[in-house]
Amino acid sequence: AQTVTQSQPEMSVQEAETVTLSCTYDTSESDYYLFWYKQPPSRQMILVIRQEAYKQQNATENRFSVNFQKAAKSFSLKISDSQLGDAAMYFCAYRSELGNNNDMRFGAGTRLTVKP
Amino acid sequence: DSGVTQTPKHLITATGQRVTLRCSPRSGDLSVYWYQQSLDQGLQFLIQYYNGEERAKGNILERFSAQQFPDLHSELNLSSLELGDSALYFCASSERLARNEQFFGPGTRLTVL
Repeated sequence: AQTVTQSQPEMSVQEAETVTLSCTYDTSESDYYLFWYKQPPSRQMILVIRQEAYKQQNATENRFSVNFQKAAKSFSLKISDSQLGDAAMYFCAYRSELGNNNDMRFGAGTRLTVKP
Repeated sequence: DSGVTQTPKHLITATGQRVTLRCSPRSGDLSVYWYQQSLDQGLQFLIQYYNGEERAKGNILERFSAQQFPDLHSELNLSSLELGDSALYFCASSERLARNEQFFGPGTRLTVL
């Protein structure tokens, strides 16, 4: 079964600085999708960025980018120019391409604090 | 706004009771997923429906059941409630292909007293 591990329960960053959140996963599949979701205090789950495993190029969405290392099964999220509004729980998620098991497998989350 | 709606937003009930949570997916989405998020925990996948049929089961208790109706809305039924069932229950929907993201509803916060 696929598992997702976020080894940093909490992280903090100074406003305008850069922070990297770590995520590793375990799978025997070659085709899959990886996601980072943000959960602010409102508890709404918001998609931040998505990466297809077959793509070598790292995904980028404005200030958010990933470092996808398929061989190492690592999928870290980099937030540049951090803003106060980035403070939230961040969840890494894995989704299989195969069969019926295309539910999301989530990590335990990293709570990001942004200091003014 | 993700386009996924969930009702009610909050639910407070007593142990032993039964409740029903409702979810309406985004227009055009055939897949509905239910997740449970306990306090300060990650999301645990419960069950998935696709176009009215059960597709996948996760860590769903036997006391819990779900269904998806012809109009594609879904209901999660929780019975014989226990204190430990208190959690945030999310519904998500997506298009058919796995590569597509899941869009999450705002969640229903269930408190069992």
